[in-house]
Amino acid sequence: DSGVTQTPKHLITATGQRVTLRCSPRSGDLSVYWYQQSLDQGLQFLIQYYNGEERAKGNILERFSAQQFPDLHSELNLSSLELGDSALYFCASSWEGLNEQFFGPGTRLTVL
Amino acid sequence: AQTVTQSQPEMSVQEAETVTLSCTYDTSESNYYLFWYKQPPSRQMILVIRQEAYKQQNATENRFSVNFQKAAKSFSLKISDSQLGDTAMYFCAFMKEGYQKVTFGTGTKLQVIP
Repeated sequence: DSGVTQTPKHLITATGQRVTLRCSPRSGDLSVYWYQQSLDQGLQFLIQYYNGEERAKGNILERFSAQQFPDLHSELNLSSLELGDSALYFCASSWEGLNEQFFGPGTRLTVL
Repeated sequence: AQTVTQSQPEMSVQEAETVTLSCTYDTSESNYYLFWYKQPPSRQMILVIRQEAYKQQNATENRFSVNFQKAAKSFSLKISDSQLGDTAMYFCAFMKEGYQKVTFGTGTKLQVIP
């Protein structure tokens, strides 16, 4: 158990809908990262937040957005969902200076 | 931009044997970190081993060791005494120092055969 929690575990929805994925980092970790893993592919970095502020952005679509709240949990919002958004979404956390990320169990999103 | 290449999509090894997974990367950075992650069928991402680029000594964690060749930009993972529980996808990953985004390779699917 990495100490990073993600909810929900599974999510099934329809095209055009909007969903929110939630992540709670390990205690003390200020950074949260979101990654997308499509079927049988590597992880693609989406976005990083550090202590409430956006720090780095990767290949994140405009239909996707994220935020980190004062209690350090983070939410990834996916809107106008398309079939191709079906994937496993991972959250990871770390603290400055460790140079290592701890991954949550992921949320499997299925868009029908 | 950094890239990570894993040229072996699938590999298999007999239980108790040794297997080596390959990884090459491309970067102009001098300070960085390299990782091998394991993703079993549960899909959890598990850190197997990490290597700091400034360290010449190859990292070792029990049955897992790496061969880090900085000049060649090569970072292979050796698994000794393979066990059935080693069956998983293995991802090689790169992180630039001071910038914590991780770039992953496409993975190698390892099957350990009893």
